[in-house]
Amino acid sequence: AQKITQTQPGMFVQEKEAVTLDCTYDTSDQSYGLFWYKQPSSGEMIFLIYQGSYDEQNATEGRYSLNFQKARKSANLVISASQLGDSAMYFCAMREVGTGGFKTIFGAGTRLFVKA
Amino acid sequence: DAGITQSPRHKVTETGTPVTLRCHQTENHRYMYWYRQDPGHGLRLIHYSYGVKDTDKGEVSDGYSVSRSKTEDFLLTLESATSSQTSVYFCATTGGGPGNEQFFGPGTRLTVL
Repeated sequence: AQKITQTQPGMFVQEKEAVTLDCTYDTSDQSYGLFWYKQPSSGEMIFLIYQGSYDEQNATEGRYSLNFQKARKSANLVISASQLGDSAMYFCAMREVGTGGFKTIFGAGTRLFVKA
Repeated sequence: DAGITQSPRHKVTETGTPVTLRCHQTENHRYMYWYRQDPGHGLRLIHYSYGVKDTDKGEVSDGYSVSRSKTEDFLLTLESATSSQTSVYFCATTGGGPGNEQFFGPGTRLTVL
């Protein structure tokens, strides 16, 4: 069964430093998509970055990059030059084909605290 | 923004009563989802829809039913609410395809006493 695992319930990082949030996944599909979302304390879900299973290059979006290691089934999020506004919950998610089409499942999340 | 609204935004109800949450989207997206968010569990998929009248179960579907009679509306019903269904419920949509990100509604906070 498909599964997303985020093993870090909480992490601290100093402002302006880089931080890596871990995500591993399990799927038997060959075609799937991996996503990261941010949820600040206000509660809304914000899309950050996407990686397709057939993409050979790691995805990047500004200060966000996704370290995709397909053989290890990992899709870690790297945030460079952390800012205080990066303090939030971060969710890794995977989309694959379900019985009726595409469905997306989420990991339990990692809470990131950025220290000044 | 994908123009997703949820109603009600907050609800307090009693054990055993039926509850219906509504999700409305204005983007004509094919796929719609209901998740619940609980501390330590992240977002868990309850049900999803891949078209009008086409729905499927997610990982935590027991005690919930859904209906989609129009593209823009996706209803989540708790047939007989229990305290374990106290949670924040999020609706999401996507246009389809493995690379399309989800757009989320603002969430509904449901408390079952």
